Amino acid sequence: QKEVEQDPGPLSVPEGAIVSLNCTYSNSAFQYFMWYRQYSRKGPELLMYTYSSGNKEDGRFTAQVDKSSKYISLFIRDSQPSDSATYLCATPYSSASKIIFGSGTRLSIRP
Amino acid sequence: EAGVAQSPRYKIIEKRQSVAFWCNPISGHATLYWYQQILGQGPKLLIQFQNNGVVDDSQLPKDRFSAERLKGVDSTLKIQPAKLEDSAVYLCASSLDRGRGNEKLFFGSGTQLSVL
Repeated sequence: QKEVEQDPGPLSVPEGAIVSLNCTYSNSAFQYFMWYRQYSRKGPELLMYTYSSGNKEDGRFTAQVDKSSKYISLFIRDSQPSDSATYLCATPYSSASKIIFGSGTRLSIRP
Repeated sequence: EAGVAQSPRYKIIEKRQSVAFWCNPISGHATLYWYQQILGQGPKLLIQFQNNGVVDDSQLPKDRFSAERLKGVDSTLKIQPAKLEDSAVYLCASSLDRGRGNEKLFFGSGTQLSVL
């Protein structure tokens, strides 16, 4: 079982829709969770990070962690064509900050 | 602020040839990472440096891959000899420090390697 798993998509939604992107993880010891966004032919860039359980909001983006079910979500409100990218969830594997990534979900926002 | 610089941007080689990638991290960043990203997959950590020492190279295929970080700044990743399955994007990233769970990684644009 992979440490972090994502549905690869692709996911295509119309502009303005609410998008839900999800990951599951296997190790209950994981505490920090990050979402990276990767545009085509670019390196990933950090979008948000959360600690433990609960929600964190930043503009149109909300990150949610449910530790009881080992489930991580990223919600995008009022989605824009510029949100079209691959979204990667990630977590530090150990105290050495070895960051491991999910396989990514490719998102396309249709104008 | 200048970002993480990588070169070359693209490289095409034949199997069994050698290739090298170069990375210049953000100034002042102590930690440098090399990731391999195969098409359709997430980045996989190959090696992590703290200054010029190796922190983690558990997933580096050491029979063919090598990496060094000169004077704790620039880094080079080499593959010799290359195999078809090495075709991927090689991403370099840097961060200020290690040991914090919310470490922010800054990535370069990567080197796309095609092995024919």
